[in-house]
Amino acid sequence: NAGVTQTPKFQVLKTGQSMTLQCAQDMNHEYMSWYRQDPGMGLRLIHYSVGAGITDQGEVPNGYNVSRSTTEDFPLRLLSAAPSQTSVYFCASKAGANYGYTFGSGTRLTVV
Amino acid sequence: AQSVSQHNHHVILSEAASLELGCNYSYGGTVNLFWYVQYPGQHLQLLLKYFSGDPLVKGIKGFEAEFIKSKFSFNLRKPSVQWSDTAEYFCAVDYNDMRFGAGTRLTVKP
Repeated sequence: NAGVTQTPKFQVLKTGQSMTLQCAQDMNHEYMSWYRQDPGMGLRLIHYSVGAGITDQGEVPNGYNVSRSTTEDFPLRLLSAAPSQTSVYFCASKAGANYGYTFGSGTRLTVV
Repeated sequence: AQSVSQHNHHVILSEAASLELGCNYSYGGTVNLFWYVQYPGQHLQLLLKYFSGDPLVKGIKGFEAEFIKSKFSFNLRKPSVQWSDTAEYFCAVDYNDMRFGAGTRLTVKP
């Protein structure tokens, strides 16, 4: 099993550009989430999903969209990148409510 | 929504010293509690978790945590730290979604 796979690992965007961060898991997990990690702020939840076709907002959803058309994939879209979105993004998945998350290796995004 | 507070921003210990990292959460209902560790340059890994039952839970690498419901706390402990425990430690609370504390950076001096 590959676990949770995130691509790309590194990305530089110009302000105003859009892009999609990819996340895929091969563990048949129902729950998937996107977090951003910034120094001194821990991980903040952007969006999450409890199953295919179901998504909900987390703490910091503005500027990001998600969809969950399959159990395996949970892409994160930046609509119009801003320097404030410079961060490390982690995707995570878990089998159900009473489980811990398995994290991907992260995407380091820089917006200039 | 629930929130998670970690009291210590940066802890510096010598090898063999005992460790306790504080974690408090705000939600009063039934929650699941976690500690994760992030080694430099890596992603988060699960150290231990509490769902129900014995409030003292044991995790990997000799770590344990105690859930005290009356204090809304879930503190992480290790009797004797090693240089390899140098990392950032995150407490997390899961109700409808999982929220993390700001993290505590642990530096262990050899």
